[in-house]
Amino acid sequence: QKEVEQNSGPLSVPEGAIASLNCTYSDRVSQSFFWYRQYSGKSPELIMSIYSNGDKEDGRFTAQLNKASQYVSLLIRDSQPSDSATYLCAVKGTGNTGKLIFGQGTTLQVKP
Amino acid sequence: GAVVSQHPSWVICKSGTSVKIECRSLDFQATTMFWYRQFPKQSLMLMATSNEGSKATYEQGVEKDKFLINHASLTLSTLTVTSAHPEDSSFYICSASAGGQTVYGYTFGSGTRLTVV
Repeated sequence: QKEVEQNSGPLSVPEGAIASLNCTYSDRVSQSFFWYRQYSGKSPELIMSIYSNGDKEDGRFTAQLNKASQYVSLLIRDSQPSDSATYLCAVKGTGNTGKLIFGQGTTLQVKP
Repeated sequence: GAVVSQHPSWVICKSGTSVKIECRSLDFQATTMFWYRQFPKQSLMLMATSNEGSKATYEQGVEKDKFLINHASLTLSTLTVTSAHPEDSSFYICSASAGGQTVYGYTFGSGTRLTVV
């Protein structure tokens, strides 16, 4: 079992729709979770971080965390073609190094 | 704030030569730096973690004698790919951490596209 799992997609949604991206993780004691967006040929950029169970909203983005189910998701409301990218879920390792463990990423395509 | 500068953005080198990639934290002190490698259509794979003033910790399967990491100051880390071969061609990305759980903790450089011919 991979430490952080995502559906590679592609996930295709029409412009204006809600895109739902999902991620599961294996280490039950993980405490810090991140969503990054990566455009082709570019480095990842942080969209959201979440540490507590529940929802965290920032503009069109909502991160949801359920530690009991070891599940974290990202909702993108009013999806735009510019949101088309690969979305990476990352979990902070529980060791002292604080390294991030990434999922394989989900490719999102928003069609006009 | 929390800017990480990575140079060069791309480099082409001949097989057998060495290439140095620099990663600088511009407005914060990076106690830890992470080096990742990403092949096309794959996710980021952590190569090594380095703390200022100490030896880097390499992930399993990463050759420490081939990928030399130096973290001599709180603002600079370098990755040197020694005796590069075509299979080392990849996108290398650094990430700097100032500790804690703030967004400052995980800022990525812009990446270096290495092509070995």
